[in-house]
Amino acid sequence: EAQVTQNPRYLITVTGKKLTVTCSQNMNHEYMSWYRQDPGLGLRQIYYSMNVEVTDKGDVPEGYKVSRKEKRNFPLILESPSPNQTSLYFCASSLYFANEQFFGPGTRLTVL
Amino acid sequence: GIQVEQSPPDLILQEGANSTLRCNFSDSVNNLQWFHQNPWGQLINLFYIPSGTKQNGRLSATTVATERYSLLYISSSQTTDSGVYFCAVGRGPPRKLVFGAGTILRVKS
Repeated sequence: EAQVTQNPRYLITVTGKKLTVTCSQNMNHEYMSWYRQDPGLGLRQIYYSMNVEVTDKGDVPEGYKVSRKEKRNFPLILESPSPNQTSLYFCASSLYFANEQFFGPGTRLTVL
Repeated sequence: GIQVEQSPPDLILQEGANSTLRCNFSDSVNNLQWFHQNPWGQLINLFYIPSGTKQNGRLSATTVATERYSLLYISSSQTTDSGVYFCAVGRGPPRKLVFGAGTILRVKS
């Protein structure tokens, strides 16, 4: 089944404890992206990647890192999480940017 | 950047009723999608429709790119249609989808 998977789906952590949210797609897509969704602020892009080893900042990149070493994986790294990073996170992928984007199931992160 | 406006912000329907959701955008785009966010938070793809008309069961969508708007039609609504409907548009660069604020739909039985 063609899909975007994220892990974990739910995570409660404490300030400063490094964490990684994994994202994987099995559709051989070139483009991948991370968004966060917050009440009143909607969905905002964090980072995106046009291809392997090519990443760029979105609207809210502060406090996050990404890497794209393989086409299928695009992990989101929070090296020192803070409470303002409590949010619902989505990974998305598409063949190229202008094609239909498919979203993962979301990761609910709470930073205490 | 591109602005996306969705209307209405809230909609309450009786089961079986029809509805039209609207998405206006401020610039030309090469990507337009409609999503349904279910009560569990998942974003479900409804349509990829940068132009033209598509239908999928009780749902259909039309995008008039030259006039910068898109419409989502829901016919014979069901309680499972409840949730938030998002329109998202994009044109690269910057390579991101810009989401509207959404329409909250409640279907009552």
